[in-house]
Parts: sequence; structure tokens; C-alpha cells
Amino acid sequence: SQQGEEDPQALSIQEGENATMNCSYKTSINNLQWYRQNSGRGLVHLILIRSNEREKHSGRLRVTLDTSKKSSSLLITASRAADTASYFCATCLTDSWGKLQFGAGTQVVVTP
Amino acid sequence: DAGITQSPRHKVTETGTPVTLRCHQTENHRYMYWYRQDPGHGLRLIHYSYGVKDTDKGEVSDGYSVSRSKTEDFLLTLESATSSQTSVYFCAISESVRANTEAFFGQGTRLTVV
Repeated sequence: SQQGEEDPQALSIQEGENATMNCSYKTSINNLQWYRQNSGRGLVHLILIRSNEREKHSGRLRVTLDTSKKSSSLLITASRAADTASYFCATCLTDSWGKLQFGAGTQVVVTP
Repeated sequence: DAGITQSPRHKVTETGTPVTLRCHQTENHRYMYWYRQDPGHGLRLIHYSYGVKDTDKGEVSDGYSVSRSKTEDFLLTLESATSSQTSVYFCAISESVRANTEAFFGQGTRLTVV
């Protein structure tokens, strides 16, 4: 089974609304990362949060990390049609030489 | 884009034939990864490398082997391709995920096994 699991699997919102997606993981991590994938393309890194951090911001993105619950959330504020993509969380495990494992992703559709 | 090149970008092969996918980087990054992406499964790690000749298995390594004889090249081999290995394969590189740096992805290789 996969290390990270995103929730929801799919999300449909209108422009201007906020989009929130969650990621749960199973084992101890060094850091957790969020990536975006546009249809037919490779993944693009969005934000990285270390295991000793609780919240991080980057532009319209806000990421939280709760290591006691083994969960993270990604909030996209004031969404735009260009935010339509799949979003993945990835965890770097503490017991490996840099193994980076992904969840199944959340598919976000932002309609104008 | 980070200097990652995957080749080929598309390939159709017959069941039972060997297939090798190549990932080439110009960033001199230590870590390299091979993932496969299938609908409903996201990205699943096949193998990864943390240095020349240093590799480890991921969660779906059966039927795949890898080699890294040079920092810049990471090869993924399907010894005897099966239809279940039809997928999109992504290579990624990272300077050091353990040191909290992000990974950069190639554009993917679409492999069809018929």
C-alpha cells in the first residue's frame, strides 16, 4: 500500500473559492512535499515542509503538517482556472536513503 | 526545466521482449528515481538510487531492474515485458531529499506492451 493517501480523490470548485486537500501517511518522515501535475506532463514541485515545521506559505499556497496525526493539508486560496491539475503529496522517510513516496493524488478542477 | 531527459518518450513493445528506459541528468544530483504512474494509483516508486552503483527497491520493483554506472544516467530495464507494465514512467532527480530539497521530474515515457 502507498505511504501517502490524499483526500478527497477529486475536487470541483469555482474560480475564487479555496481548495483544501489532505494527505495522511504511515511512517516517520524527514519532510513532506506537495507537487502539481498538469494533464500529460511531469510533476512540478510546489512546497516542502520539514518534520519540525507546522505551517508554511508560498504565494496562494498554505501547507500544514501535524506529525502527531501523520497528516498534512494543502490549501489553495482564491483558486484560478490555471490551478486545474492533480496534486500529490510525497513523503521522504526517515528510515531510508532518501526514498520519496507519493500518494494517489487529488484531481482538482476549477471552473471559471 | 531541470536538466532531465528521458528516452524514449514513447515506446510500443511486444510481450516477452526486454526494454530499457534511460534517464539522463545534467544537474549532478545524487538521487535518482523511477516511478510508474497508472490511473487510480498515483506515482509508485519502482527503484531509486542514492549514488553510483547504490540502488534500492521501491514498492513495485518486481519485474524491473536498474543500473547506475555514472552519476548522470539511471537505466530502468524490464527484463521480459508484460502487459501489466504498460504505464507512464517518470524519472526524478534530487540533490538530497533527506536534506530537504525537492525532486525534479522528467517528462515521462509512455510504454505500451502489446
